[in-house]
Amino acid sequence: QKEVEQDPGPLSVPEGAIVSLNCTYSNSAFQYFMWYRQYSRKGPELLMYTYSSGNKEDGRFTAQVDKSSKYISLFIRDSQPSDSATYLCAMNNQGGKLIFGQGTELSVKP
Amino acid sequence: GAVVSQHPSRVICKSGTSVKIECRSLDFQATTMFWYRQFPKQSLMLMATSNEGSKATYEQGVEKDKFLINHASLTLSTLTVTSAHPEDSSFYICSAPVGPSYNEQFFGPGTRLTVL
Repeated sequence: QKEVEQDPGPLSVPEGAIVSLNCTYSNSAFQYFMWYRQYSRKGPELLMYTYSSGNKEDGRFTAQVDKSSKYISLFIRDSQPSDSATYLCAMNNQGGKLIFGQGTELSVKP
Repeated sequence: GAVVSQHPSRVICKSGTSVKIECRSLDFQATTMFWYRQFPKQSLMLMATSNEGSKATYEQGVEKDKFLINHASLTLSTLTVTSAHPEDSSFYICSAPVGPSYNEQFFGPGTRLTVL
């Protein structure tokens, strides 16, 4: 079993839709949770960074962490074609190496 | 945010040759940098941790004699793929943490290596 599981998709939605992206994990020691966006043939870009459980909002993006269920989510409101990319979740312990999910490929159709 | 650059962005080489990839932190100093490899449709896999002034730390299964890492200064780390073979063809990405922990990492744009 992988430490971090993420549905690779692809996920296709119409412009303006709410997108929900999720990851599950098995290591209860993880405390820091990140979401990265990666456009084709580019390096990942940090979107959201969350410590422990709870919600964090930044513009159209909301990250949720439920440590009791070992489940994290990223919501994108009013999705735009420019949001089309691969979204990677990542997590670690304090000072530990980042463990990435496989990435979910998202396509937002105009 | 912090900027990390990589050079070259893509390289094509013949089997058996060596290829050097540079990773630079442009507006901050990085005593630690990370090297990842990403195969198509797959996630990033950490290869090694590059430490300024000391030896790199390699992940299990990564050949340190094949993937030579040199962290020459606080803004530059290099990865040399020695005697490259077609199975080494991949997307190589470096990152550098900002702040006292490794939690926030900024990634370079990646280097696409194709070995013929």
